[in-house]
Amino acid sequence: DQQVKQNSPSLSVQEGRISILNCDYTNSMFDYFLWYKKYPAEGPTFLISISSIKDKNEDGRFTVFLNKSAKHLSLHIVPSQPGDSAVYFCAATPGTYKYIFGTGTRLKVLA
Amino acid sequence: EAGVAQSPRYKIIEKRQSVAFWCNPISGHATLYWYQQILGQGPKLLIQFQNNGVVDDSQLPKDRFSAERLKGVDSTLKIQPAKLEDSAVYLCASSPRGAGELFFGEGSRLTVL
Repeated sequence: DQQVKQNSPSLSVQEGRISILNCDYTNSMFDYFLWYKKYPAEGPTFLISISSIKDKNEDGRFTVFLNKSAKHLSLHIVPSQPGDSAVYFCAATPGTYKYIFGTGTRLKVLA
Repeated sequence: EAGVAQSPRYKIIEKRQSVAFWCNPISGHATLYWYQQILGQGPKLLIQFQNNGVVDDSQLPKDRFSAERLKGVDSTLKIQPAKLEDSAVYLCASSPRGAGELFFGEGSRLTVL
């Protein structure tokens, strides 16, 4: 049972444009969401998070949007840079701090 | 601040052999996690420790996998005997209190032949 889904395995975007990565979840008990970035041969690194009491959180070029009614969150990267090319995972937790990860989306930013 | 340390980085074994992975979390982090990431999939939680107690090991294949966290600091994950489907990257992560973001190590890549 995949409780956190990233339906797009890959995404290509031109440098300078917006990248939008999507994530859907099924468990209404999830109340904290995170995005991680992973380069090859490295561990995932934390990018940005959002609590269920908010619908938006910004950090520089990265913004996460949460739509609780649709059980959907998205990560926007503006402007996209070649160094953003990586695999992005969304993760969710129901407050027990058992984090459930999605399958990842590979982002390629074209120079 | 030193990050999460894991070793070995790479390990190749034959099926039915045993293997052990070691993790040293960030100093002061009470919660430690072991995740399994199979190629093309997201990390899957194997076990979660709070200090030296197990919080969740519901997805740990206990007939072959074991893990311990002595003195609430570093941890060891063992697989015995290994199967072909155990080929994966084993990620260790820690967090201050099980809250907020997880800090991951670089992972240990296991190949079972």
